[in-house]
Amino acid sequence: DAMVIQNPRYQVTQFGKPVTLSCSQTLNHNVMYWYQQKSSQAPKLLFHYYDKDFNNEADTPDNFQSRRPNTSFCFLDIRSPGLGDAAMYLCATSRGTGVREKLFFGSGTQLSVL
Amino acid sequence: DQQVKQNSPSLSVQEGRISILNCDYTNSMFDYFLWYKKYPAEGPTFLISISSIKDKNEDGRFTVFLNKSAKHLSLHIVPSQPGDSAVYFCAASERYGGATNKLIFGTGTLLAVQP
Repeated sequence: DAMVIQNPRYQVTQFGKPVTLSCSQTLNHNVMYWYQQKSSQAPKLLFHYYDKDFNNEADTPDNFQSRRPNTSFCFLDIRSPGLGDAAMYLCATSRGTGVREKLFFGSGTQLSVL
Repeated sequence: DQQVKQNSPSLSVQEGRISILNCDYTNSMFDYFLWYKKYPAEGPTFLISISSIKDKNEDGRFTVFLNKSAKHLSLHIVPSQPGDSAVYFCAASERYGGATNKLIFGTGTLLAVQP
């Protein structure tokens, strides 16, 4: 089945130690998104790629970076994780960015920062 | 500032009865609304949507109602089944440049359907 896959399911890192979260898709969608969801809060868009075109949200901290080496893969890099970065990170894809586009989500990576 | 609000963190309903999940929004420029459903350990999945030019959209047991004047939408599930127990996210599509839209999510409502 075509799907969005996130690895790992759980990630533990130390305060200040760089960490990378991975996302892959078999849907061949043009757009890939990274959302951050903290406990009891709404998923918040960090950035998205349309093909290789990177679009950063205005309030996304510089600590968060992303790479999309090809259509199938997208990575979220947190350069110096702080305690406040502990959250669920959701990767999603869509064919385009039109108003009626539906997002397809992965299962998420739960990040803990010690 | 939360533009999409789901004020009920949780809802408990008996099997076979109606579940009504509510969502309010503040931005009158939103023109498309979606509901996503999330089971534990899984990502959200699309459930149903509605355009701002409509006031109702129905898909099987699921119906979404939109009241633009009140900036309110609701999801009705009839009849509710135990398998419907999940977190339901309301989302609105916001245009923010050219043909680019992004989804603004609410905080979710945890629905528990009791057998």
